[in-house]
Parts: sequence; structure tokens; C-alpha cells
Amino acid sequence: GQQVMQIPQYQHVQEGEDFTTYCNSSTTLSNIQWYKQRPGGHPVFLIQLVKSGEVKKQKRLTFQFGEAKKNSSLHITATQTTDVGTYFCAGNSSNTGKLIFGQGTTLQVKP
Amino acid sequence: GAVVSQHPSRVICKSGTSVKIECRSLDFQATTMFWYRQFPKQSLMLMATSNEGSKATYEQGVEKDKFLINHASLTLSTLTVTSAHPEDSSFYICSARDGGSGDEQFFGPGTRLTVL
Repeated sequence: GQQVMQIPQYQHVQEGEDFTTYCNSSTTLSNIQWYKQRPGGHPVFLIQLVKSGEVKKQKRLTFQFGEAKKNSSLHITATQTTDVGTYFCAGNSSNTGKLIFGQGTTLQVKP
Repeated sequence: GAVVSQHPSRVICKSGTSVKIECRSLDFQATTMFWYRQFPKQSLMLMATSNEGSKATYEQGVEKDKFLINHASLTLSTLTVTSAHPEDSSFYICSARDGGSGDEQFFGPGTRLTVL
């Protein structure tokens, strides 16, 4: 079945450093979504990318959707302690409309 | 914004009992709701897709007789864990999709189930 792989699993950075997490799907996606889950919390929607090659920015966060609509990335510039949490990509399959979540990347930021 | 509530937030029960978890969309009508299970430090695993007025669609490996899902209205879906066992202990999260606003899913706060 469809799989969504996400790397790295964990990332520890010093505050102010950049951070990137990568997401790869085994199948073409109709869209990809990114969520953030704080420790003890539930996933919160960040953004959705739909178009091939799309790039969207939210302040220090930059999201990209690959040309083939099978991979995506989230880049955070100059991390802050408030960025701590687990970032999940979730692929929306063209066939089923279901969200398949990647394993998540847990970000720790040292002040 | 869209809000999804979940009740209870935490439940501890004895092995063999059944537990019902409610998921409500508070300010929108959810034609589709999803139930996920999340083990500590792991990803969300989709258990089933629930459509209002019809039977839920279960993912491979999820026992439909053990995890009963009812989506009786456009704002309420329930998950009942029947004859719960310690291995059913997990974080159960529901999400809802507003049919009119695209594919974004709005997540409930989750229910932490502990089976003794």
C-alpha cells in the first residue's frame, strides 16, 4: 500500500540554526499537508500544498512540494524554542482521499 | 476556526470492559471523520474512515468488531473499544473534514486510554 516516509526521525539544533525535514511518498499525491504536534498535544494543521513544484512560506517556515508530487520538505529558518515539537507530513492519495502520515520528525531546540 | 472536541480526554478501565469515545465537530458539519491511533513517540495510524449515515471503512488489520464506529450525525462520531485489553492502551485521535473547505483535517484533542 501507499507509504509516506519522513526523515530524519529526530533533530536536535541550537537555537538560531536552521532545520529541514523531508517527506517521500511511494505514490503520487493529490496534495500534501503538514501538521505540528506539541508534546502531549494533538496535530495542528500548518499548510496544504497542491500544485507541482509549489512553494509556500509562513514567516520562518518554507514548504515545498516536489515536481513529481511525491516528495515535500519543510524548512525552518533560525529556529526558536517555540518550534519544538513533532512535524508530520501527511499525503493525500489521489485514489482514496485518505491522509497517510509520515513517521514525523521530532525537533528539539537548545536555547 | 473549526473546532473538534473529543470526550473523554482520559480514561482508565479494567480489562474486558468497553469504552466509548465521542468526537464532535462543534462549528461545522463533518461529512467525514477519521479515527487514528498513536503509540508513544510514533506516528498516527489511520484506523477507519467514518462517513455520516453509512458504515465505516476500516484499514487493513483493524478489527471492525473490536473497534465499533458509529457516525450518527454530521457532528458526531463515536468509537467504542469493545472488551478492551492492555494492548489497546493508546492515544486515540479523531479528525473531521469540513466537506466545503477542502482536504484539511481538524483534529480533536485526543483520548488517552489506559487498560489495566
